[in-house]
Amino acid sequence: QVQLQESGPGLVKPSETLSLTCTVSGGSISSYYWSWIRQPAGKGLEWLGRISASGSTSYNPSLKSRVTLSVDTSKNQFSLKLSSVTAADTALYYCARNPYAPGWFDPWGQGTLVTVSS
Amino acid sequence: EIVMTQSPATLSVSPGERATLSCRASQSVSSNLAWYQQKPGQAPRLLIYGASTRATGIPARFSGSGSGTEFTLTISSLQSEDFAVYYCQQYNNWYTFGQGTKLEIK
Repeated sequence: QVQLQESGPGLVKPSETLSLTCTVSGGSISSYYWSWIRQPAGKGLEWLGRISASGSTSYNPSLKSRVTLSVDTSKNQFSLKLSSVTAADTALYYCARNPYAPGWFDPWGQGTLVTVSS
Repeated sequence: EIVMTQSPATLSVSPGERATLSCRASQSVSSNLAWYQQKPGQAPRLLIYGASTRATGIPARFSGSGSGTEFTLTISSLQSEDFAVYYCQQYNNWYTFGQGTKLEIK
């Protein structure tokens, strides 16, 4: 079965760029869409963006100017970059699969905590 | 942006009883709605998609209903492992989530 695993720095300084990678195992990254979702501590879920295996992207309009997604099919990975971060970007970041676009999210990675602090 | 509103924020129910969770959309999302369960320290788990279709491996005690702007998740006979936070999510116009309903043991 498909499994997803997020990786990247757990601490990012304000104004810098947050970079995370999601590695897909147990299946191919092709033929699906892939998303990033975040969850601040004790709060709800916010979709950040989505990318297809061919590299087609869609972003949350509220974050569009700061979010960039990319995909590396040779490594079965996709990545998130969030620029000009502030403390408000501190959250648990999840990657997830969209079985089709738009669609629901299944499965999800376990999540990785990113803290923005100097 | 479509705003999803869940009620109640917290629901206290005894094991073995039925739980009914509500989700309302600020505009019609047709049947493009999913439900997730999240336990502490875990990622959300897909329960329902298409408003009423159970995901693979989800027990039959979980059922979803509704269309348009009003949706319901029903858990027919609560088991100990069902106490968690539940989120609804629309995918009719991009993706937005409700703020969650915490289902706690009464």
